[in-house]
Amino acid sequence: GAVVSQHPSRVICKSGTSVKIECRSLDFQATTMFWYRQFPKKSLMLMATSNEGSKATYEQGVEKDKFLINHASLTLSTLTVTSAHPEDSSFYICSARVSGRGTEAFFGQGTRLTVV
Amino acid sequence: LAKTTQPISMDSYEGQEVNITCSHNNIATNDYITWYQQFPSQGPRFIIQGYKTKVTNEVASLFIPADRKSSTLSLPRVSLSDTAVYYCLVGFSGNTGKLIFGQGTTLQVKP
Repeated sequence: GAVVSQHPSRVICKSGTSVKIECRSLDFQATTMFWYRQFPKKSLMLMATSNEGSKATYEQGVEKDKFLINHASLTLSTLTVTSAHPEDSSFYICSARVSGRGTEAFFGQGTRLTVV
Repeated sequence: LAKTTQPISMDSYEGQEVNITCSHNNIATNDYITWYQQFPSQGPRFIIQGYKTKVTNEVASLFIPADRKSSTLSLPRVSLSDTAVYYCLVGFSGNTGKLIFGQGTTLQVKP
């Protein structure tokens, strides 16, 4: 199956700093990727849709200046949490679809962000 | 996007068959039904998808009645390692293929 790789798996940063999370499609090209965040014992919440070569589309209530998304190539999307604060601590997950696979989507392993 | 309703939690014992039902009364004609599994601190993993009747793969079976307003994920002979959260999703929102997750069902398999 298709593989989506996310890096880093865990990161701890100081309040006020920025953190970049990478999401790569290893064996397929992904024109569209999706970013989610998940709080403990809660479901995944879609943050934004990352489009290769164009601006990301953010869900209502998600601050686009806070969560910068760049999708510069067909295999890489990045999420940068800018000026992180403790309330940004969460589990961030990316995903991508493969053309022709219907409703099947592939997810990265997730990134645990802790802001201290 | 069709909203889904699942039980919040279920308990089972090793070796039993587990059936998790999902309601999706507003499913559209072109919508597919997909199930995902998520372990703690991991991304979700695709289990199975279907459109109508029955679909079976090496992991699970998916039963969809004729009206498609519900679906049932069937896990045969569960083991402790099947303890996870199971999400039922229907169709795609908009044209970009994004997936909107509902609350999911937490399955606890006991020895």
